[in-house]
Amino acid sequence: NAGVTQTPKFQVLKTGQSMTLQCAQDMNHEYMSWYRQDPGMGLRLIHYSVGAGITDQGEVPNGYNVSRSTTEDFPLRLLSAAPSQTSVYFCASSWGLGSYNEQFFGPGTRLTVL
Amino acid sequence: KNQVEQSPQSLIILEGKNCTLQCNYTVSPFSNLRWYKQDTGRGPVSLTIMTFSENTKSNGRYTATLDADTKQSSLHITASQLSDSASYICVVLPPGGGNKLTFGTGTQLKVEL
Repeated sequence: NAGVTQTPKFQVLKTGQSMTLQCAQDMNHEYMSWYRQDPGMGLRLIHYSVGAGITDQGEVPNGYNVSRSTTEDFPLRLLSAAPSQTSVYFCASSWGLGSYNEQFFGPGTRLTVL
Repeated sequence: KNQVEQSPQSLIILEGKNCTLQCNYTVSPFSNLRWYKQDTGRGPVSLTIMTFSENTKSNGRYTATLDADTKQSSLHITASQLSDSASYICVVLPPGGGNKLTFGTGTQLKVEL
């Protein structure tokens, strides 16, 4: 089991560029989510999905798009990168949304927008 | 104001010593409280999950305690090792809200020789 994998590990973009952060899991988890982690702040939820074809917004969704065509993959798209999107991005997955479902996190993507 | 506050912000201890990290939360009601360990450059990894009715939960040298009346939790690390150097994050979850985790900002622990 590879668990939750993310690519790339590091990325530098210029303002206005677009890109896709990849996330995949091999645990057959229904629930997947994207977080961003900024200095001095707790992780914040960007978007999440409760299954293939179903996505919803989290706390900070502006400037990001997601889709979930398969159970395994949950890519995060930055439409037009801005310096405020400089952050570390984590993908996570769990069996479901139940209160006791443990979330498994990927290794993160460190994104810098110049 | 953060709904989950952790203290201290950072801590340095000598290998072999014990330490205790604090978490105060205002999320109410809540379903469970979690502690995660995050190594530098890695994603968070779950250490313990406690329901509101549990007072303590252990995972090896890590012991978490919970006082739901005072809305406080602590993570005690026994006989620290260099590999314990990491950020420790307290997370609170409301009832029925599997996607509404509230994360603290973490305590950065460094264990030195």
